[in-house]
Amino acid sequence: QSVLTQPPSASGTPGQRVTISCSGSSSNIGNRNVNWYQQVPGTAPKLLIYKNNQRPSGVPDRFSGSKSGTSASLAISGLHSDDEADYYCAAWDESLNGVVFGGGTKVTVL
Amino acid sequence: QVYLVESGGGVVQPERSLRLSCAASGFTFSNDAMHWVRQAPGKGLEWVAVIWYDGSDKYYADSVKGRFTISRDNSRNILFLQMNSLRVEDTALYYCARDPSGSGWAFASWGQGTLVTVSS
Repeated sequence: QSVLTQPPSASGTPGQRVTISCSGSSSNIGNRNVNWYQQVPGTAPKLLIYKNNQRPSGVPDRFSGSKSGTSASLAISGLHSDDEADYYCAAWDESLNGVVFGGGTKVTVL
Repeated sequence: QVYLVESGGGVVQPERSLRLSCAASGFTFSNDAMHWVRQAPGKGLEWVAVIWYDGSDKYYADSVKGRFTISRDNSRNILFLQMNSLRVEDTALYYCARDPSGSGWAFASWGQGTLVTVSS
């Protein structure tokens, strides 16, 4: 059971917008930055969003992040076939003194 | 270009030990915190440990506390993970990850991982 809660799956057709939620608590998301990672099967994870809504250089602006209270969201607009991957949220947890991940959400492009 | 190259994985029996290494290049290693993150086959990501940029502080996941030790050699740009009393449930692909100062605990760069299999 992951400390951060994500839906196991999400899907959309090409061009659609998909949103992935990440729910936590005051010891993590509520008081800390949220980061998002994309992992294409068979490859290492890649940082997608950091500090809730910042995109590293090279990440398309189709990807956006937001945070409100103890929840965060990742939105993918203009869905592409190569967006098919697993997406993970993560944050530092002040009670556990460590980084906690969500269980991951598998995005399928129909 | 940032490179992180893990090594040291393999097949090991329960209760034995293994030491993983992560060779870093392309950035100022001594400026950044470093982490180990693992992924069991077919499962999600699990954070393992972090070490401060200068080695002054370390934190561990409860699942490995007391058995694993993270360390670093800033003179050689290498990160280590000493794993003792290994269990079957430690079987996973182990990644090292770079956490640049000010990134908000973001893993900006990852290696390709080294596979650890614990089996009798």
